[in-house]
Amino acid sequence: AQKVTQAQTEISVVEKEDVTLDCVYETRDTTYYLFWYKQPPSGELVFLIRRNSFDEQNEISGRYSWNFQKSTSSFNFTITASQVVDSAVYFCALGFEDAGNKLTFGGGTRVLVKP
Amino acid sequence: GAGVSQTPSNKVTEKGKYVELRCDPISGHTALYWYRQSLGQGPEFLIYFQGTGAADDSGLPNDRFFAVRPEGSVSTLKIQRTERGDSAVYLCASSSIPMLSGGLNTEAFFGQGTRLTVV
Repeated sequence: AQKVTQAQTEISVVEKEDVTLDCVYETRDTTYYLFWYKQPPSGELVFLIRRNSFDEQNEISGRYSWNFQKSTSSFNFTITASQVVDSAVYFCALGFEDAGNKLTFGGGTRVLVKP
Repeated sequence: GAGVSQTPSNKVTEKGKYVELRCDPISGHTALYWYRQSLGQGPEFLIYFQGTGAADDSGLPNDRFFAVRPEGSVSTLKIQRTERGDSAVYLCASSSIPMLSGGLNTEAFFGQGTRLTVV
Protein backbone atom coordinates (compact mmCIF):
# COMPACT_ATOMS: atom_id res chain seq x y z
CA ALA A 1 0.00 0.00 0.00
CA GLN A 2 1.07 3.55 -0.64
CA LYS A 3 1.06 6.09 2.13
CA VAL A 4 2.34 9.60 2.77
CA THR A 5 2.87 10.87 6.30
CA GLN A 6 3.33 14.49 7.25
CA ALA A 7 3.83 14.25 10.99
CA GLN A 8 3.75 18.00 11.63
CA THR A 9 0.18 19.24 11.58
CA GLU A 10 1.05 22.89 12.23
CA ILE A 11 4.23 24.94 12.42
CA SER A 12 4.38 28.53 13.58
CA VAL A 13 7.43 30.69 12.89
CA VAL A 14 8.38 34.32 12.94
CA GLU A 15 9.16 36.00 9.65
CA LYS A 16 12.69 35.41 8.35
CA GLU A 17 13.05 32.13 10.22
CA ASP A 18 13.68 28.96 8.23
CA VAL A 19 11.07 26.21 8.37
CA THR A 20 11.41 22.57 7.34
CA LEU A 21 8.41 20.40 6.54
CA ASP A 22 8.82 16.65 6.86
CA CYS A 23 7.39 14.11 4.44
CA VAL A 24 7.80 10.34 4.76
CA TYR A 25 6.35 7.98 2.19
CA GLU A 26 5.75 4.25 1.93
CA THR A 27 5.78 2.24 -1.26
CA ARG A 28 7.10 -1.04 -2.59
CA ASP A 29 7.39 0.30 -6.12
CA THR A 30 10.77 1.29 -7.47
CA THR A 31 9.40 3.88 -9.88
CA TYR A 32 7.36 6.66 -8.35
CA TYR A 33 6.99 10.42 -8.24
CA LEU A 34 6.93 12.83 -5.34
CA PHE A 35 5.26 16.21 -5.28
CA TRP A 36 4.83 19.22 -3.04
CA TYR A 37 1.79 21.48 -3.32
CA LYS A 38 0.90 24.71 -1.52
CA GLN A 39 -2.71 25.45 -0.57
CA PRO A 40 -3.23 29.10 0.36
CA PRO A 41 -6.43 30.26 2.09
CA SER A 42 -8.08 30.73 -1.32
CA GLY A 43 -8.19 26.95 -1.62
CA GLU A 44 -6.53 26.04 -4.89
CA LEU A 45 -3.53 23.72 -4.83
CA VAL A 46 -0.41 25.29 -6.30
CA PHE A 47 2.24 22.98 -7.75
CA LEU A 48 5.72 23.49 -6.30
CA ILE A 49 7.84 20.56 -7.40
CA ARG A 50 7.88 17.02 -8.77
CA ARG A 51 10.72 14.52 -8.44
CA ASN A 52 11.02 10.99 -9.77
CA SER A 53 12.45 8.12 -7.76
CA PHE A 54 15.58 7.88 -9.88
CA ASP A 55 16.69 11.43 -9.26
CA GLU A 56 17.92 11.98 -5.74
CA GLN A 57 19.55 15.27 -6.51
CA ASN A 58 18.40 17.96 -4.15
CA GLU A 59 16.65 20.95 -5.62
CA ILE A 60 16.73 24.65 -4.83
CA SER A 61 14.32 27.21 -6.24
CA GLY A 62 14.65 30.65 -4.76
CA ARG A 63 13.85 30.39 -1.06
CA TYR A 64 12.56 26.83 -1.46
CA SER A 65 14.70 23.72 -1.26
CA TRP A 66 13.95 20.02 -1.21
CA ASN A 67 15.91 17.13 0.25
CA PHE A 68 15.08 13.72 -1.23
CA GLN A 69 16.55 10.70 0.58
CA LYS A 70 15.48 7.28 -0.67
CA SER A 71 17.31 5.55 2.18
CA THR A 72 14.89 7.04 4.67
CA SER A 73 11.92 7.41 2.26
CA SER A 74 11.78 11.10 2.95
CA PHE A 75 11.23 14.17 0.79
CA ASN A 76 11.56 17.17 3.05
CA PHE A 77 10.86 20.78 2.11
CA THR A 78 12.59 23.84 3.54
CA ILE A 79 11.51 27.45 3.23
CA THR A 80 14.41 29.79 3.92
CA ALA A 81 13.83 33.24 5.36
CA SER A 82 10.09 32.72 5.59
CA GLN A 83 7.66 35.47 4.70
CA VAL A 84 4.06 36.09 5.73
CA VAL A 85 2.95 35.13 2.20
CA ASP A 86 4.31 31.64 2.83
CA SER A 87 1.47 31.03 5.30
CA ALA A 88 -0.52 28.15 3.83
CA VAL A 89 -1.07 24.42 4.09
CA TYR A 90 1.60 22.39 2.33
CA PHE A 91 0.95 18.90 1.00
CA CYS A 92 3.37 16.19 0.01
CA ALA A 93 2.06 13.64 -2.50
CA LEU A 94 3.09 10.35 -4.09
CA GLY A 95 2.18 9.13 -7.56
CA PHE A 96 2.70 6.15 -9.88
CA GLU A 97 2.45 6.10 -13.64
CA ASP A 98 0.75 2.73 -13.66
CA ALA A 99 -1.80 3.78 -11.05
CA GLY A 100 -3.88 5.98 -13.28
CA ASN A 101 -1.94 9.16 -12.65
CA LYS A 102 -3.62 9.59 -9.31
CA LEU A 103 -1.82 11.12 -6.37
CA THR A 104 -1.82 9.99 -2.76
CA PHE A 105 -1.59 13.05 -0.53
CA GLY A 106 -0.33 13.40 3.01
CA GLY A 107 -2.46 15.11 5.61
CA GLY A 108 -0.75 18.44 5.13
CA THR A 109 1.23 20.81 7.34
CA ARG A 110 -0.18 24.21 8.13
CA VAL A 111 2.54 26.87 8.21
CA LEU A 112 1.83 30.13 9.96
CA VAL A 113 4.40 32.87 9.47
CA LYS A 114 3.99 35.73 11.90
CA PRO A 115 5.32 39.20 11.13
CA GLY B 1 -10.74 32.08 -18.13
CA ALA B 2 -7.10 31.29 -17.70
CA GLY B 3 -7.44 28.79 -14.91
CA VAL B 4 -9.60 25.86 -13.86
CA SER B 5 -13.06 27.08 -12.96
CA GLN B 6 -15.39 25.25 -10.61
CA THR B 7 -19.02 26.09 -10.01
CA PRO B 8 -20.69 26.61 -7.71
CA SER B 9 -18.09 27.70 -5.20
CA ASN B 10 -20.43 26.73 -2.37
CA LYS B 11 -23.37 24.36 -2.33
CA VAL B 12 -25.63 23.57 0.60
CA THR B 13 -28.07 20.73 0.08
CA GLU B 14 -30.37 18.61 2.16
CA LYS B 15 -29.63 15.00 2.91
CA GLY B 16 -31.03 12.77 0.21
CA LYS B 17 -30.92 15.37 -2.57
CA TYR B 18 -29.05 15.14 -5.87
CA VAL B 19 -26.21 17.57 -6.68
CA GLU B 20 -24.05 18.36 -9.68
CA LEU B 21 -20.65 19.99 -9.46
CA ARG B 22 -19.11 21.48 -12.57
CA CYS B 23 -15.50 21.80 -13.65
CA ASP B 24 -14.24 23.88 -16.58
CA PRO B 25 -10.64 22.86 -17.23
CA ILE B 26 -7.98 24.95 -18.88
CA SER B 27 -8.68 25.07 -22.62
CA GLY B 28 -6.90 22.29 -24.46
CA HIS B 29 -6.13 20.19 -21.39
CA THR B 30 -6.98 16.59 -22.12
CA ALA B 31 -6.46 15.20 -18.64
CA LEU B 32 -8.93 16.04 -15.87
CA TYR B 33 -8.99 14.88 -12.24
CA TRP B 34 -11.48 15.07 -9.40
CA TYR B 35 -10.36 14.96 -5.77
CA ARG B 36 -12.26 15.28 -2.50
CA GLN B 37 -10.82 17.07 0.51
CA SER B 38 -12.38 16.67 3.91
CA LEU B 39 -11.71 19.25 6.61
CA GLY B 40 -8.15 19.09 7.90
CA GLN B 41 -7.11 16.33 5.52
CA GLY B 42 -5.27 15.96 2.26
CA PRO B 43 -7.13 15.56 -1.03
CA GLU B 44 -8.30 12.06 -1.95
CA PHE B 45 -8.44 10.90 -5.54
CA LEU B 46 -11.86 10.24 -7.03
CA ILE B 47 -11.58 9.90 -10.82
CA TYR B 48 -9.30 10.69 -13.75
CA PHE B 49 -10.42 11.43 -17.32
CA GLN B 50 -8.27 11.26 -20.40
CA GLY B 51 -10.34 12.96 -23.06
CA THR B 52 -13.94 11.84 -22.79
CA GLY B 53 -13.28 8.55 -21.07
CA ALA B 54 -12.76 7.78 -17.41
CA ALA B 55 -9.31 6.21 -17.36
CA ASP B 56 -9.46 5.50 -13.64
CA ASP B 57 -12.52 5.75 -11.42
CA SER B 58 -11.17 3.64 -8.60
CA GLY B 59 -11.50 6.47 -6.08
CA LEU B 60 -15.25 6.92 -6.36
CA PRO B 61 -16.51 5.84 -2.93
CA ASN B 62 -19.73 4.15 -4.05
CA ASP B 63 -22.32 4.05 -6.80
CA ARG B 64 -23.93 7.27 -5.64
CA PHE B 65 -21.01 9.09 -7.22
CA PHE B 66 -20.70 9.46 -10.99
CA ALA B 67 -18.76 11.79 -13.27
CA VAL B 68 -18.97 12.58 -16.96
CA ARG B 69 -16.99 14.51 -19.51
CA PRO B 70 -19.03 14.08 -22.71
CA GLU B 71 -17.07 16.40 -25.01
CA GLY B 72 -13.66 16.06 -23.46
CA SER B 73 -13.76 19.49 -21.88
CA VAL B 74 -16.25 20.36 -19.10
CA SER B 75 -16.79 17.68 -16.50
CA THR B 76 -19.67 17.20 -14.09
CA LEU B 77 -19.45 15.27 -10.83
CA LYS B 78 -22.86 13.96 -9.84
CA ILE B 79 -23.82 12.77 -6.38
CA GLN B 80 -27.12 11.03 -5.77
CA ARG B 81 -28.93 10.67 -2.44
CA THR B 82 -26.40 12.86 -0.67
CA GLU B 83 -25.34 11.99 2.85
CA ARG B 84 -23.84 14.19 5.55
CA GLY B 85 -20.56 12.35 5.12
CA ASP B 86 -20.32 13.67 1.56
CA SER B 87 -19.66 17.15 2.96
CA ALA B 88 -16.23 18.21 1.74
CA VAL B 89 -14.43 20.42 -0.76
CA TYR B 90 -14.43 18.86 -4.21
CA LEU B 91 -11.37 19.84 -6.21
CA CYS B 92 -10.91 19.58 -9.94
CA ALA B 93 -7.58 19.71 -11.76
CA SER B 94 -6.48 19.57 -15.37
CA SER B 95 -3.22 19.02 -17.18
CA SER B 96 -2.12 19.15 -20.80
CA ILE B 97 -0.94 15.57 -20.69
CA PRO B 98 -1.32 12.90 -18.03
CA MET B 99 0.38 14.23 -14.93
CA LEU B 100 2.88 11.45 -14.52
CA SER B 101 3.68 10.88 -18.16
CA GLY B 102 5.19 14.21 -18.98
CA GLY B 103 8.44 15.89 -18.27
CA LEU B 104 9.72 16.87 -14.89
CA ASN B 105 7.69 20.05 -14.69
CA THR B 106 4.39 18.68 -15.99
CA GLU B 107 1.88 19.92 -13.52
CA ALA B 108 -1.80 19.76 -12.87
CA PHE B 109 -3.61 23.03 -12.30
CA PHE B 110 -6.26 22.94 -9.60
CA GLY B 111 -9.44 24.94 -9.28
CA GLN B 112 -10.52 26.58 -6.05
CA GLY B 113 -12.98 23.82 -5.36
CA THR B 114 -16.65 23.49 -4.56
CA ARG B 115 -17.48 23.36 -0.88
CA LEU B 116 -20.39 20.95 -0.50
CA THR B 117 -22.33 20.93 2.75
CA VAL B 118 -25.03 18.34 3.27
CA VAL B 119 -27.40 19.24 6.10
